[in-house]
Amino acid sequence: EVQLVESGGGLVQPGGSLRLSCAASGFTFSSYWMHWVRQAPQKGLIWVSRINVDGSSTTYADSVRGRFTISRDNSKSMLYLEMNSLRAEDTALYYCAKVHVARGDFDGWGQGTMVTVAS
Amino acid sequence: SYALTQPPSVSVAPGETARITCEGTNIGSKSVHWYQQKSGQAPVLVVHDDSARPSGIPERFSGSNSGNTAALTISRVAAGDEADYYCQVWDSNTDHPVFGGGTKLTVL
Repeated sequence: EVQLVESGGGLVQPGGSLRLSCAASGFTFSSYWMHWVRQAPQKGLIWVSRINVDGSSTTYADSVRGRFTISRDNSKSMLYLEMNSLRAEDTALYYCAKVHVARGDFDGWGQGTMVTVAS
Repeated sequence: SYALTQPPSVSVAPGETARITCEGTNIGSKSVHWYQQKSGQAPVLVVHDDSARPSGIPERFSGSNSGNTAALTISRVAAGDEADYYCQVWDSNTDHPVFGGGTKLTVL
């Protein structure tokens, strides 16, 4: 069974930094592209970033490009999101998600970790 | 970038059929996926590739996609189906996924 467990969220001041982690198990982590998706309170799902299987290719939403960095450690089955220059509008529940290898849907989600940017 | 439009809310009586739409330019040429998100929980895939159901999803959930509109249909709606539903496609221009704004299904 696919398990994704996020951690690292918390309260941070505007301009601050935070590093999110996602521990994966139940599947061959190194074979899958991985994504971060966020959801602001009472709002919809917004894609944030993705990384290919070996970490050599990354993509970001316009709203976070240049501030966020996605990475992975296949030896530890871990996904990360380094977030810098945080803004109030980055406040959201951040989900780690797995994309089906042959399709374009997200067939595995974590429970999310909450990031609150406020002074 | 590619945009998906969903109605903010849909209401239906128990036992009736709910239809949730997802509109996008020529969406019929894309594969559409649907997620159910109950209050306080992570999203769950309920339909992939327009109309296929993952293992464990009841046959009451079905999907269709043609022209500029995709739809998720839930037959014999029960109180347990009350949730937010999101459609999702892959934007070939930006090469990243796009979600609809979500539809809140209320069971009266």
